[in-house]
Amino acid sequence: ILNVEQSPQSLHVQEGDSTNFTCSFPSSNFYALHWYRWETAKSPEALFVMTLNGDEKKKGRISATLNTKEGYSYLYIKGSQPEDSATYLCASFRRGGSNYKLTFGKGTLLTVNP
Amino acid sequence: DAGVIQSPRHEVTEMGQEVTLRCKPISGHDYLFWYRQTMMRGLELLIYFNNNVPIDDSGMPEDRFSAKMPNASFSTLKIQPSEPRDSAVYFCASSFLGSTEAFFGQGTRLTVV
Repeated sequence: ILNVEQSPQSLHVQEGDSTNFTCSFPSSNFYALHWYRWETAKSPEALFVMTLNGDEKKKGRISATLNTKEGYSYLYIKGSQPEDSATYLCASFRRGGSNYKLTFGKGTLLTVNP
Repeated sequence: DAGVIQSPRHEVTEMGQEVTLRCKPISGHDYLFWYRQTMMRGLELLIYFNNNVPIDDSGMPEDRFSAKMPNASFSTLKIQPSEPRDSAVYFCASSFLGSTEAFFGQGTRLTVV
């Protein structure tokens, strides 16, 4: 994998449903994996910054896991609410020589219907 | 800190004109990124700086695009001459390697007519 790939591209769920998204990223030169939440007309805001293989993070009803060896991360939302509707971005922070580069996937657009 | 500050928030210009977008990163952050958001490509990295030095500009679409960071508190992205296909929202983000989390500005919505 050369780029950050996210799936699905969009998702419609009913209020109360649990859902999950996938992020695939280059495993080479890995430094950190980020998840951002991006609401319409706002700027992306970080949900999680993950660095360790096997890491799991949780914030309320949202959690994420990380596998750096195979290059994937999952974001889970339990009991979706309409206010969870947003685009969820995954980003890879990779080493490039002595510098680091932050590259985003195209995001998963989540719509939660009441 | 007030966060990452971008200006202007909106810019409408005529094709062929020069456009300059501005960004003030969070104090103490050593990385600054310029992104362009489009429907087709999502959030596309144009260029990024480390300690005011441009590191990777491979995402800059054409020679019409240039970026500078004369000091740790200011960066510009310039398009000269602008074209209608440059219309997009341009985001600036800054980060500190210690935590790596990127903080975004509010974006500049550019419309070239």
